[in-house]
Amino acid sequence: QKEVEQNSGPLSVPEGAIASLNCTYSDRGSQSFFWYRQYSGKSPELIMSIYSNGDKEDGRFTAQLNKASQYVSLLIRDSQPSDSATYLCAGLPSYNFNKFYFGSGTKLNVKP
Amino acid sequence: EPEVTQTPSHQVTQMGQEVILRCVPISNHLYFYWYRQILGQKVEFLVSFYNNEISEKSEIFDDQFSVERPDGSNFTLKIRSTKLEDSAMYFCASRPTGTGEAFFGQGTRLTVV
Repeated sequence: QKEVEQNSGPLSVPEGAIASLNCTYSDRGSQSFFWYRQYSGKSPELIMSIYSNGDKEDGRFTAQLNKASQYVSLLIRDSQPSDSATYLCAGLPSYNFNKFYFGSGTKLNVKP
Repeated sequence: EPEVTQTPSHQVTQMGQEVILRCVPISNHLYFYWYRQILGQKVEFLVSFYNNEISEKSEIFDDQFSVERPDGSNFTLKIRSTKLEDSAMYFCASRPTGTGEAFFGQGTRLTVV
């Protein structure tokens, strides 16, 4: 059973702080990972993808992948109230591009 | 910027009726997906579609469901004999070859009464 696990939260951080969101996965065959942001009642919006070990930065967002430990994380620097949303981690196995595995999401609250 | 579009945004139907949810994927994308999300729950995979055929389907995607690409732009999900538990947000997604990045439409909220 391929699983992606996330802490449901909520994770509360003050405005301007760094928010750290984590995800673990069970399938070592999963090679590609994605972070989606989902506002309440809206669809998932792709914000980061990461395919190799290490860090990938895009603006205020940094995705980190550690395949040996089977975890993925997302750091949001200078958090803003507009970042308040549920963040979904998704994995895609290298041997099966037909199906993304989604975690249940972590709810982030950024307090002004 | 290209986007996946879904219609309708909200559909209310009576139990037992058939509904068709429509999607227009991004034009140069070749992989298409339907996911659903019951209120307060995780995003669940229903089916993936490539080269005019189903490439994978979940255990949820039984004979009640079908997908079709009736022309070069539309991708539809048909739900026959709807049940109360089919009430959910249904999301269409598409992705191009060469990358795993999938983009979601805005969703159709299906309410079965």
